[in-house]
Amino acid sequence: DVKVTQSSRYLVKRTGEKVFLECVQDMDHENMFWYRQDPGLGLRLIYFSYDVKMKEKGDIPEGYSVSREKKERFSLILESASTNQTSMYLCASRAGIFMNTEAFFGQGTRLTVV
Amino acid sequence: AQSVTQLGSHVSVSEGALVLLRCNYSSSVPPYLFWYVQYPNQGLQLLLKYTTGATLVKGINGFEAEFKKSETSFHLTKPSAHMSDAAEYFCAVRSSGSARQLTFGSGTQLTVLP
Repeated sequence: DVKVTQSSRYLVKRTGEKVFLECVQDMDHENMFWYRQDPGLGLRLIYFSYDVKMKEKGDIPEGYSVSREKKERFSLILESASTNQTSMYLCASRAGIFMNTEAFFGQGTRLTVV
Repeated sequence: AQSVTQLGSHVSVSEGALVLLRCNYSSSVPPYLFWYVQYPNQGLQLLLKYTTGATLVKGINGFEAEFKKSETSFHLTKPSAHMSDAAEYFCAVRSSGSARQLTFGSGTQLTVLP
């Protein structure tokens, strides 16, 4: 079975802390994505990666960075967490460059910044 | 650029009634279209996708969607709603201008009334 695993389901962090969200996929997919989900706004792309050590900014990259040192792992980093980064974060992966392949999602991490 | 509009952030239907969730897209090139479902506190799961060929697409759990190029629509339907269909539904588009990433609509919360 296809699996995308996010390291935490719920996180509570303090303002100013450095926060790491980890995502691992076991499908040997080239592409990995980090989305943020907020009510009424749907899913917005933060960053994606199409290969190890490669990354591209999505629609809302400000305040975030990413790391992909291994093909199976894609980390989202909040350099200095702020309360407006309280949200649900979803990781996804997808095979290859073909447009007809679907993305597989993790269970999500609900982050609260206090 | 590509975009997705989901009409109606909340839809309520009675158990056994027709489900119709609306999705319109904007894309300058032929799109690939997806519907995902999200159950509470979970990630997204693919319901169905349109890539090429037959414009009526059948998915899991009795859902189907029809691609209408002239109307730039990809509405999701199910003939008879079940209580277990209560969830949030997201329409998404991918086109050759943004081949690696999906653009999501803002979501429609479906409530099924007994």
